Amino acid sequence: AQRVTQPEKLLSVFKGAPVELKCNYSYSGSPELFWYVQYSRQRLQLLLRHISRESIKGFTADLNKGETSFHLKKPFAQEEDSAMYYCALSGGYNFNKFYFGSGTKLNVKP
Amino acid sequence: DGGITQSPKYLFRKEGQNVTLSCEQNLNHDAMYWYRQDPGQGLRLIYYSQIVNDFQKGDIAEGYSVSREKKESFPLTVTSAQKNPTAFYLCASSRGSTGGETQYFGPGTRLLVL
Repeated sequence: AQRVTQPEKLLSVFKGAPVELKCNYSYSGSPELFWYVQYSRQRLQLLLRHISRESIKGFTADLNKGETSFHLKKPFAQEEDSAMYYCALSGGYNFNKFYFGSGTKLNVKP
Repeated sequence: DGGITQSPKYLFRKEGQNVTLSCEQNLNHDAMYWYRQDPGQGLRLIYYSQIVNDFQKGDIAEGYSVSREKKESFPLTVTSAQKNPTAFYLCASSRGSTGGETQYFGPGTRLLVL
């Protein structure tokens, strides 16, 4: 069964510190992995997807198939990065079916 | 805002009552989804539809029903069989043409039980 695990419910860092939000998945095949973000009083929105291999707002994420991980990283956290982050996976016979992790709340302190 | 609207913003349900949450999109997307968001549990898939007149159950479909008569609309009915309906409900859509497409989310509807 597909599953997405985000082990940290809350992550607090100081401004300028590196940040890493962990995401592990279980899936037999080649999944599509995503990070979604929800800022305060805003809609849930896509941050990045692994297939694009791009950096958005300074965030990057590398798909590690050996470790089945897709951790989200940023070298220098900013206060505006404070938000709820969700890791998501799609795959299987139906790539339109998505599985979301339970989310990690990132709090960047001044 | 992604062209997805949900109404109402808040909805109150009485015991034994069915209520319907609206979701409309003008993005010409094929696929639409309903999720339930509970504190500490992330998003759980209720139903999804890849094309008009077709839909599939997600992981927590019991007590819910949907229809997809029009491409732009995917209403969710919370029936009296859903014993714990209090939650935040999110609707999303994606192009759905090749799979693994970006999902665009609505603002959500918060359902409360009186």
